[in-house]
Amino acid sequence: RKEVEQDPGPFNVPEGATVAFNCTYSNSASQSFFWYRQDCRKEPKLLMSVYSSGNEDGRFTAQLNRASQYISLLIRDSKLSDSATYLCVVNQGGGQGNLIFGKGTKLSVKP
Amino acid sequence: EAGVAQSPRYKIIEKRQSVAFWCNPISGHATLYWYQQILGQGPKLLIQFQNNGVVDDSQLPKDRFSAERLKGVDSTLKIQPAKLEDSAVYLCASSPGGSNEQFFGPGTRLTVL
Repeated sequence: RKEVEQDPGPFNVPEGATVAFNCTYSNSASQSFFWYRQDCRKEPKLLMSVYSSGNEDGRFTAQLNRASQYISLLIRDSKLSDSATYLCVVNQGGGQGNLIFGKGTKLSVKP
Repeated sequence: EAGVAQSPRYKIIEKRQSVAFWCNPISGHATLYWYQQILGQGPKLLIQFQNNGVVDDSQLPKDRFSAERLKGVDSTLKIQPAKLEDSAVYLCASSPGGSNEQFFGPGTRLTVL
């Protein structure tokens, strides 16, 4: 089983749609969780951290289910500018920055 | 605030040649990382430095890859000799002490022919 698994997509959605991405991780000792965004031929950038209580930042909502080892990202009212690859990232602990990246889910928002 | 700087941005070499990449992290960031991102994959950690010491190099192919951060600031990553499968983007990232957030540089896109 891969350490961090994501559906690679692509997800092709119209502007204004709601889209959800899921991610599973294999190491139950993982300590912290993130979504990074990576635009085509650019570097990854932190989108948001994911907390057990769930967290929301504008149109983006992230949730964590530790029991199921499952992370989700919900994007409401999709914009053209949301088109990117979304990387699920898990910190397995054992020292700062031990990040494991998923392969990413590609989102394409169409007019 | 200046971001993470990397050079060169692009490099094309033939297999068995050597290549070196340079990274200048964000000022004051003690932790520096080198990642390899193959097309269609997520970044994979090669090595992590805390100041000038190595924290984790378990996934660094040490027979051909080496990295240093002599003064705890800039870092270089070297591949000698390169193989076809080394074609990838090499990303440098840094983070401040006590933070999980990593700030990435623009990467060096390496093509090995």
